[in-house]
Amino acid sequence: EPEVTQTPSHQVTQMGQEVILRCVPISNHLYFYWYRQILGQKVEFLVSFYNNEISEKSEIFDDQFSVERPDGSNFTLKIRSTKLEDSAMYFCASRTSGGNEQFFGPGTRLTVL
Amino acid sequence: LAKTTQPISMDSYEGQEVNITCSHNNIATNDYITWYQQFPSQGPRFIIQGYKTKVTNEVASLFIPADRKSSTLSLPRVSLSDTAVYYCLVGENQAGTALIFGKGTTLSVSS
Repeated sequence: EPEVTQTPSHQVTQMGQEVILRCVPISNHLYFYWYRQILGQKVEFLVSFYNNEISEKSEIFDDQFSVERPDGSNFTLKIRSTKLEDSAMYFCASRTSGGNEQFFGPGTRLTVL
Repeated sequence: LAKTTQPISMDSYEGQEVNITCSHNNIATNDYITWYQQFPSQGPRFIIQGYKTKVTNEVASLFIPADRKSSTLSLPRVSLSDTAVYYCLVGENQAGTALIFGKGTTLSVSS
């Protein structure tokens, strides 16, 4: 069964450093999303992406964040200058246009020191 | 967006049927009701979606009364592996729409 994959599974970085989180959505999916979950808290929407453009973004997704689909398979989330409060699990998800569910990846645990 | 209210936690034993009720008094005409499951350190996983009456799949049933102001997720004969957080989401079923998660219901299944 096809699945969303994410790399790395765990990333440790120093405050102020740039990080890039990578996702490979399911191949025939057209809609892509990033969510995050701070430890012990709820899953929060960051951004949705379709047709090489951001469709929707939350207040969390400020100028420090960017997304890109650099090729036909990868979907990336970049945090330009990480803060301690960016420490969280980051989940990528994808969806077809006709389906009714978002398929989530296993997540990347980001730890900012 | 319709606000949802569900119990913070529930406990059950293996083999029992578990019903988790979600209130969504302000549900809009175009809104669907969707349930996701999340295991620790994993991404959420779709369980079931419905608009009205009853929906059943191989994992669960979803009961929605006529006024649609609440819904009940029913898990038949739970096992230890059903221990997870269950989220009730209400919103339009459009591909680009963000999922807005609440705190969910933590279900603990014991032997």
